[in-house]
Amino acid sequence: GESVGLHLPTLSVQEGDNSIINCAYSNSASDYFIWYKQESGKGPQFIIDIRSNMDKRQGQRVTVLLNKTVKHLSLQIAATQPGDSAVYFCAERANQGGKLIFGQGTELSVKP
Amino acid sequence: GAGVSQSPSNKVTEKGKDVELRCDPISGHTALYWYRQSLGQGLEFLIYFQGNSAPDKSGLPSDRFSAERTGGSVSTLTIQRTQQEDSAVYLCASSPRWTSGGAGNEQFFGPGTRLTVL
Repeated sequence: GESVGLHLPTLSVQEGDNSIINCAYSNSASDYFIWYKQESGKGPQFIIDIRSNMDKRQGQRVTVLLNKTVKHLSLQIAATQPGDSAVYFCAERANQGGKLIFGQGTELSVKP
Repeated sequence: GAGVSQSPSNKVTEKGKDVELRCDPISGHTALYWYRQSLGQGLEFLIYFQGNSAPDKSGLPSDRFSAERTGGSVSTLTIQRTQQEDSAVYLCASSPRWTSGGAGNEQFFGPGTRLTVL
């Protein structure tokens, strides 16, 4: 019989190109945001974070942009490599406690 | 140093049985979290322990789910009378003490326990 399931948004890029992964968050009171990378069969791995009093933060080959006006977060990966292939999740934290609310995730596929 | 560890890595059980999943957080981390991840989906918050404070159980989907954290370190997530919809990967994370100043916000995840309920 036919099966129905959820499909992650997918971004396919060529090795060496820049990648941009987008995320819309839900709570205007969230004060902290994180991007995680998850490879198949593994737990999420921290990439970069940003507090709500900032609009940009840079790491090694990665940049996170925060637009609080439209509640939008993006992750930019420079010079994407095959090892960057994974599912990327954004997460937000409300202004109390440490509970994270995760987005659906985006699957990044890097073609050599 | 050692990261977050979880056991077992895989668990297959029959509907109606109880299961226990274990999490060993990073030494010294005061906060511990349980999340559930169904196939192809994001992480769903279940429960959060911070030091000696009362745990935040707001994410537990039913009273069949419970968790405890003994001695402020190891945690056990128990699912009673398992159902097929409980099948998922159960992820544990720990972090240093959360502060409003930003220190200790990062959560470090374990590899997860894949639970299959037949």
